[in-house]
Amino acid sequence: QKEVEQDPGPLSVPEGAIVSLNCTYSNSAFQYFMWYRQYSRKGPELLMYTYSSGNKEDGRFTAQVDKSSKYISLFIRDSQPSDSATYLCAMSEEDTGRRALTFGSGTRLQVQP
Amino acid sequence: NAGVTQTPKFQVLKTGQSMTLQCAQDMNHEYMSWYRQDPGMGLRLIHYSVGAGITDQGEVPNGYNVSRSTTEDFPLRLLSAAPSQTSVYFCASSLSDRNNQPQHFGDGTRLSIL
Repeated sequence: QKEVEQDPGPLSVPEGAIVSLNCTYSNSAFQYFMWYRQYSRKGPELLMYTYSSGNKEDGRFTAQVDKSSKYISLFIRDSQPSDSATYLCAMSEEDTGRRALTFGSGTRLQVQP
Repeated sequence: NAGVTQTPKFQVLKTGQSMTLQCAQDMNHEYMSWYRQDPGMGLRLIHYSVGAGITDQGEVPNGYNVSRSTTEDFPLRLLSAAPSQTSVYFCASSLSDRNNQPQHFGDGTRLSIL
């Protein structure tokens, strides 16, 4: 079993829909949680970063962490065709920094105009 | 602003050949790293560097070498290419290795080993 699980999709939604992207994990020591967006033929870019549990909002994006369920989510409100990309979750333990970052395999999102 | 530049963008090699993937950044970042991305596997760390002259192994270092003689450059060398090394390789840089520092990725090198 992988340490971080992510549904590969593709997830296809109409423009304007609310999108929910999710990751589950098995390592209860994970404390840092990140979401990256990766457009086709490009490198990933950091979207959201959260530490421990709770919610974090940035514009149309909300990241949610539920450590009791070992489950993290990224919500995209009013989705746009420009949101079409692969979304990667990533996480690490306390104080291990980026050297021990574990990535999910990504969910491909398609927003239809 | 160039950011992180990777060359070449595409490469086809024969088994046993060696090559160097180039990575350069112009942001004066101390931390640089190499990842490989394979279908269904996510990004996996190959090697990383916390500054000029300092490198260390990541999760999947076998078959790869790195060096960091300057802050700007972090080349990745394949010593004797194998089909299992067919992948997309990403170089990334950030101010430090702390998770709250945004990582800047290059656009990748797509490598096929025949």
